[in-house]
Amino acid sequence: RKEVEQDPGPFNVPEGATVAFNCTYSNSASQSFFWYRQDCRKEPKLLMSVYSSGNEDGRFTAQLNRASQYISLLIRDSKLSDSATYLCVVRTGGGNKLTFGTGTQLKVEL
Amino acid sequence: EAQVTQNPRYLITVTGKKLTVTCSQNMNHEYMSWYRQDPGLGLRQIYYSMNVEVTDKGDVPEGYKVSRKEKRNFPLILESPSPNQTSLYFCASSMEQGLSPLHFGNGTRLTVT
Repeated sequence: RKEVEQDPGPFNVPEGATVAFNCTYSNSASQSFFWYRQDCRKEPKLLMSVYSSGNEDGRFTAQLNRASQYISLLIRDSKLSDSATYLCVVRTGGGNKLTFGTGTQLKVEL
Repeated sequence: EAQVTQNPRYLITVTGKKLTVTCSQNMNHEYMSWYRQDPGLGLRQIYYSMNVEVTDKGDVPEGYKVSRKEKRNFPLILESPSPNQTSLYFCASSMEQGLSPLHFGNGTRLTVT
C-alpha cells in the first residue's frame, strides 16, 4: 500500500461548483499534512496546511480525520483558475520526511 | 525576490555524458532537497541536505550525486546518465526539513537518449 494515496482524477467540474478531494495516508504516526497546488509543468506551491481542527482559507477548506487516516480539500465556487493538480503531502516520523501523493487533477470548465 | 533557481530548464543529453543541474536559493534556508517527478509516480526524493556538508539519500538516490559546499547551492550530478533518468527534476528548500513550506525551483526537464 502506498504511503499517501490520491485519486488521480481528472475531476471535471463546471465553474461555480463545489468539489472535494480526499487523500489517505498509511502511517498512523504521521504528524503534519499539507495541500500543494501544481499547475501544468510548473513547480508545486503550498496551498495550505491542514490542522487537526480543520481550517479555511477563502474558498478552500482543509480537514483532517485521524481516525480514518485521511485529509480532505474542499473548494467552493470553483473558478477556471483553480484548474491544476492538487498534491497531498504528509510529514512522518522523527526525520520529518515529507511524502507526496501523486496528485488529483482538477479541470474547471465554463 | 525570494526564490529557488534551477538551471538549465531543459536539457537533452546522451547516455553516459556527465551533467550537472544547478540549484541556488537566496532565502538562507538550512534544508535543500532534490526530487524527480514521473507520471503516475509523483514526486520522489533523490537526495536532501540538512545543512552545509550534510547530505543524505532519499528514496531514489541511485545514479545521482549531490554536494553542499555552500548553504545556498545544492547541485545535482549525474555521472553517467541513462534513459531511465529522463524526468522532470525539482530542487526545493525550506528553513527546516518538513517543518515549513517547501519552496520549489522552476524545474529541469531532462531527456537522456
